Amino acid sequence: DAGVTQSPTHLIKTRGQHVTLRCSPISGHKSVSWYQQVLGQGPQFIFQYYEKEERGRGNFPDRFSARQFPNYSSELNVNALLLGDSALYLCASSLFTLNTEAFFGQGTRLTVV
Amino acid sequence: ILNVEQSPQSLHVQEGDSTNFTCSFPSSNFYALHWYRWETAKSPEALFVMTLNGDEKKKGRISATLNTKEGYSYLYIKGSQPEDSATYLCAFPYNNNDMRFGAGTRLTVKP
Repeated sequence: DAGVTQSPTHLIKTRGQHVTLRCSPISGHKSVSWYQQVLGQGPQFIFQYYEKEERGRGNFPDRFSARQFPNYSSELNVNALLLGDSALYLCASSLFTLNTEAFFGQGTRLTVV
Repeated sequence: ILNVEQSPQSLHVQEGDSTNFTCSFPSSNFYALHWYRWETAKSPEALFVMTLNGDEKKKGRISATLNTKEGYSYLYIKGSQPEDSATYLCAFPYNNNDMRFGAGTRLTVKP
């Protein structure tokens, strides 16, 4: 059974560009959450989607947006990239909401130059 | 407190030593407390999801306790092995829609 898959694994973008990161959850999982992780810190919560609706949003600017599709896969979009957006972006899927065990993907390493 | 705090930040132990870490979280509006292990170059792996005050969970040599009234959880590792070397993270779903992670405890077990 496939785990959580994220694509791409690595990405280099220029300041001001736009990026789309993708996540496929474990089959049967209806919730997808997105996190940003920079070195030395724990993952920072960006969004949670459950049943295709946004259920939670962290303290990130409007440049960050996401959506969940009918097959429960998800995209994270970041517009007008800044150098400070360079980070590891993690996706996690779970059966239900944030009270249930989450399974993480390998992450997408985004570098903004 | 609104944030999740973990201590110590890092820990170096010898193989065979037992060790423990602390996670502090907001004691109001409690929903759950998560523990994850994150090995280098891998994905974070769920260890426990704890929901009840006084809960104790165990997986092999690793166990955890929970005190929701005072807002802390302990993670214990008995007889540490080199393969236990990882960063251990705890996370708290604040208001059940804002998952807050601590900065983690980085454990290094020397053979």
